[in-house]
Amino acid sequence: GQNIDQPTEMTATEGAIVQINCTYQTSGFNGLFWYQQHAGEAPTFLSYNVLDGLEEKGRFSSFLSRSKGYSYLLLKELQMKDSASYLCAAPQNKLIFGTGTLLAVQP
Amino acid sequence: NAGVTQTPKFRVLKTGQSMTLLCAQDMNHEYMYWYRQDPGMGLRLIHYSVGEGTTAKGEVPDGYNVSRLKKQNFLLGLESAAPSQTSVYFCASNRAAQETQYFGPGTRLLVL
Repeated sequence: GQNIDQPTEMTATEGAIVQINCTYQTSGFNGLFWYQQHAGEAPTFLSYNVLDGLEEKGRFSSFLSRSKGYSYLLLKELQMKDSASYLCAAPQNKLIFGTGTLLAVQP
Repeated sequence: NAGVTQTPKFRVLKTGQSMTLLCAQDMNHEYMYWYRQDPGMGLRLIHYSVGEGTTAKGEVPDGYNVSRLKKQNFLLGLESAAPSQTSVYFCASNRAAQETQYFGPGTRLLVL
């Protein structure tokens, strides 16, 4: 079967660090995507991990452990504009999305 | 490069009416997708296409039909709209199944 789980909501403070977790169960593994979606807008690509470990891109980093079926997105130096939904997705012959984590950044 | 565009941006339908949503991409992508997004449900795949002239069912295909007559266009049809089809519809495309998907701006559909 195919299943992706992430927390529904998270709250963090401006300037802080937040970690958004994603666990997945898929038949075969072809990497893991993270997308960001602001309210009323389309999802936009953040990262793609296919190998174990941490990949850093500025304030955002994404980690993958294939043996544990686990990934996380790490957001540093949070800004108000980071308030959005963060979607974890696993490609099979099509992309399977989690329901997304709604992050609220408070002043 | 416009990327992925969707027409219309917003539409109100009465139950039983029909309509077609148009998705166009100018990136020469082989794969195109139609999703619907509802509160608390995430993105759910309706239909997808792996190339011109091909279509396949996704997770929630009932009540929808699609066509991919030209590589750059992917049409989503509702033959007889129902209130349960009130949603935000996103189109996306990519070069291959395991590559980044690029999304259109979405179509907000309200069925009364």
